[in-house]
Amino acid sequence: AQSVSQHNHHVILSEAASLELGCNYSYGGTVNLFWYVQYPGQHLQLLLKYFSGDPLVKGIKGFEAEFIKSKFSFNLRKPSVQWSDTAEYFCAVNGYSSASKIIFGSGTRLSIRP
Amino acid sequence: GAGVSQTPSNKVTEKGKYVELRCDPISGHTALYWYRQSLGQGPEFLIYFQGTGAADDSGLPNDRFFAVRPEGSVSTLKIQRTERGDSAVYLCASSESQGFMDIQYFGAGTRLSVL
Repeated sequence: AQSVSQHNHHVILSEAASLELGCNYSYGGTVNLFWYVQYPGQHLQLLLKYFSGDPLVKGIKGFEAEFIKSKFSFNLRKPSVQWSDTAEYFCAVNGYSSASKIIFGSGTRLSIRP
Repeated sequence: GAGVSQTPSNKVTEKGKYVELRCDPISGHTALYWYRQSLGQGPEFLIYFQGTGAADDSGLPNDRFFAVRPEGSVSTLKIQRTERGDSAVYLCASSESQGFMDIQYFGAGTRLSVL
């Protein structure tokens, strides 16, 4: 079955700490991968996406993610987090055969201590 | 420009009642999607429109749920005989077309509470 697994439900970090949020997916065929972010009181926003090409993708606000096809993973990273990064982060996937249907993970809540 | 607009932002209803949730997509976007997000979960796909027609309604949980998009722009998600388990945030998204590379842009959602 098609699915996305996010390993951490809640991550708490201090400012300037490095961040890595895990994401693994199960999906046959060609895929797109996404990280969406939802800041408190705001709507879901696209943070970054992988369609093809360089497996290391850079997004907004200093975030990056690496697609490792052999591990079916798309982990999100940031070298130094800020208090304003406090949000819920969702990993997601869609496939060439069903591009309209994005499958989301259950999300990781990130709390940054100032 | 304006993003995806959803109304109302909050809806409280009683078990057994009928509700309608509205979505106004980004101007010019031909594809429109509905998702449902339960507490502690990620969004789950419900239905997708390309133009006026529902191209994929495989995510609708049962026949109490129905959606329309009569003029290819605004869409309404309709829920009959609401149940407490329908309580969730209902999200709408739109994209320029329905291509593999198209990005879906999400609205703020309607929080539905069924008492």
